[in-house]
Amino acid sequence: GIQVEQSPPDLILQEGANSTLRCNFSDSVNNLQWFHQNPWGQLINLFYIPSGTKQNGRLSATTVATERYSLLYISSSQTTDSGVYFCAVSGGSSGSARQLTFGSGTQLTVLP
Amino acid sequence: SAVISQKPSRDICQRGTSLTIQCQVDSQVTMMFWYRQQPGQSLTLIATANQGSEATYESGFVIDKFPISRPNLTFSTLTVSNMSPEDSSIYLCSVEVAEAFFGQGTRLTVV
Repeated sequence: GIQVEQSPPDLILQEGANSTLRCNFSDSVNNLQWFHQNPWGQLINLFYIPSGTKQNGRLSATTVATERYSLLYISSSQTTDSGVYFCAVSGGSSGSARQLTFGSGTQLTVLP
Repeated sequence: SAVISQKPSRDICQRGTSLTIQCQVDSQVTMMFWYRQQPGQSLTLIATANQGSEATYESGFVIDKFPISRPNLTFSTLTVSNMSPEDSSIYLCSVEVAEAFFGQGTRLTVV
């Protein structure tokens, strides 16, 4: 099945700093999403972005499908941005076109 | 979009017992997905539940341990059977409506 790798695994920032999270995937995708998991375990949808660029406030994302990677940018980080960020994809030539495969996540800690 | 109500949000259970987790969606969907997230780990798909047919389980997950019901297009349950401490995890249900949406999760602790 499709493989998803996220980097870095851990990231510690001072409040106000910017960051870039990366997601590499091993095959063509028909769905790529970024999620933020809050401390209570809930997954919050950030972006549905199988290709192109999107922005939502301080967050933006870019997926270059031909090169099989996606980037999540967080600008002017706040302590409430802390948590785990997951990239998840579906597609690939051999796997299910519908089920999501998750990366291992990036644990972000924003210090006041 | 889709709104998913999942319950219970958390539970502490004795080993050897079973827990049933419910997910209600605010619209009709063909497939519902159940995931497990073990402590400090990523999400792993347990099974895909289609209305009117047997659920499809991923490698490493079996129906006897994780029976699933899908009685209609807006509702599904996952039962964690004969629990052991290794079953302590967050369990999440999901639907895909253009993009995937998740329930709030059930944080299960087995003692």
